[in-house]
Amino acid sequence: GENVGLHLPTLSVQEGDNSIINCAYSNSASDYFIWYKQESGKGPQFIIDIRSNMDKRQGQRVTVLLNKTVKHLSLQIAATQPGDSAVYFCAEKSNNAGNMLTFGGGTRLMVKP
Amino acid sequence: GAGVSQSPSNKVTEKGKDVELRCDPISGHTALYWYRQSLGQGLEFLIYFQGNSAPDKSGLPSDRFSAERTGGSVSTLTIQRTQQEDSAVYLCASSLVLLAGGDTGELFFGEGSRLTVL
Repeated sequence: GENVGLHLPTLSVQEGDNSIINCAYSNSASDYFIWYKQESGKGPQFIIDIRSNMDKRQGQRVTVLLNKTVKHLSLQIAATQPGDSAVYFCAEKSNNAGNMLTFGGGTRLMVKP
Repeated sequence: GAGVSQSPSNKVTEKGKDVELRCDPISGHTALYWYRQSLGQGLEFLIYFQGNSAPDKSGLPSDRFSAERTGGSVSTLTIQRTQQEDSAVYLCASSLVLLAGGDTGELFFGEGSRLTVL
């Protein structure tokens, strides 16, 4: 079936560097995407979202890029900090899959001091 | 409360026993979701509720799983005759609006209930 997946299960970056976390999706009907951050022992926390009619959206230190041509989503974190260490999930919603979010497998971001 | 509250935070049970997991959503949130997260894995959708509409149960893995939401607020996820493969963290989330047609809907997650079936 259609699913959302991630390229890299683990990403290790130096503190202060920029991080890029990637996500591929296969459902062309997906119209809404969200990035969540999950710290150990906690529930996922919303970071940023983007609609399919946009290709870029910026937040505080984070940017989400959407490339519908290749069905690719990325999360960029500027000046990565130790507190950014967590598992990051992308999630999608599509009109032909009900009204639930479908989550990818997650990427673990490790920030080295 | 200020956030989504789940209980118990940890539950250890023996194979074959029934368990109930509780979720208190954020006050005023009309949509409520249950997800399951196995160790080191992503989130698996189980069920969601929206107002008084019939719940979407399409994600429930077997008929041993059921959920109800009383009075449009608190929800209980029940797993009957638990199996070892049911061991996971069960996450509840609520949102102010249903993710429908172009509407956005940030999901607020609880801390989860960790279930261990021996």
